[in-house]
Amino acid sequence: KAGVTQTPRYLIKTRGQQVTLSCSPISGHRSVSWYQQTPGQGLQFLFEYFSETQRNKGNFPGRFSGRQFSNSRSEMNVSTLELGDSALYLCASSLEREAGRAYEQYFGPGTRLTVT
Amino acid sequence: AQRVTQPEKLLSVFKGAPVELKCNYSYSGSPELFWYVQYSRQRLQLLLRHISRESIKGFTADLNKGETSFHLKKPFAQEEDSAMYYCALSAVPGGGNKLTFGTGTQLKVEL
Repeated sequence: KAGVTQTPRYLIKTRGQQVTLSCSPISGHRSVSWYQQTPGQGLQFLFEYFSETQRNKGNFPGRFSGRQFSNSRSEMNVSTLELGDSALYLCASSLEREAGRAYEQYFGPGTRLTVT
Repeated sequence: AQRVTQPEKLLSVFKGAPVELKCNYSYSGSPELFWYVQYSRQRLQLLLRHISRESIKGFTADLNKGETSFHLKKPFAQEEDSAMYYCALSAVPGGGNKLTFGTGTQLKVEL
């Protein structure tokens, strides 16, 4: 079974620009979550999508948005980039939570975003 | 609010020595706890979860609700255990998959 894939792997943008990152989940996984990883803040939850709907959201400004397509692929967008947005963005896919049990999340390799 | 605390940024042990990576959490309900591991140049991956009560690669972790802890233990450290370990909590009353991570502990096993 192919793992979670993320594109691009590396990205350099300038302050004020916007960026779109893509994530393809494991086949059959309908839940896709996004995390931001930085040396200072660690791993922080951005949002989760399930069946094309945002189901959970972390504490990030509205500049961070996402969407999910009918094939479960997901994109996240960051508008008006700031230097502090430089981070590794991880995508994770999972089976649906069932009977109150959280399933394992499978992580992608991440997209390294550098904002200059 | 949910919070996961891993007090040690770096833990250095000798091969064959016992290992204990500490994790404390803050959540008023009944959370699910996980340990994720990231080996050098590899993806973040699940090591074990409290609900399974299993031993993976010799590691075990017991959820102590009284002390709100979920420490990771291994009786004899191996060189290949060197990695970054993250404790994570999942507690979403409305459903879904959201993990709150601790800041991680870098385990270094020395020969």
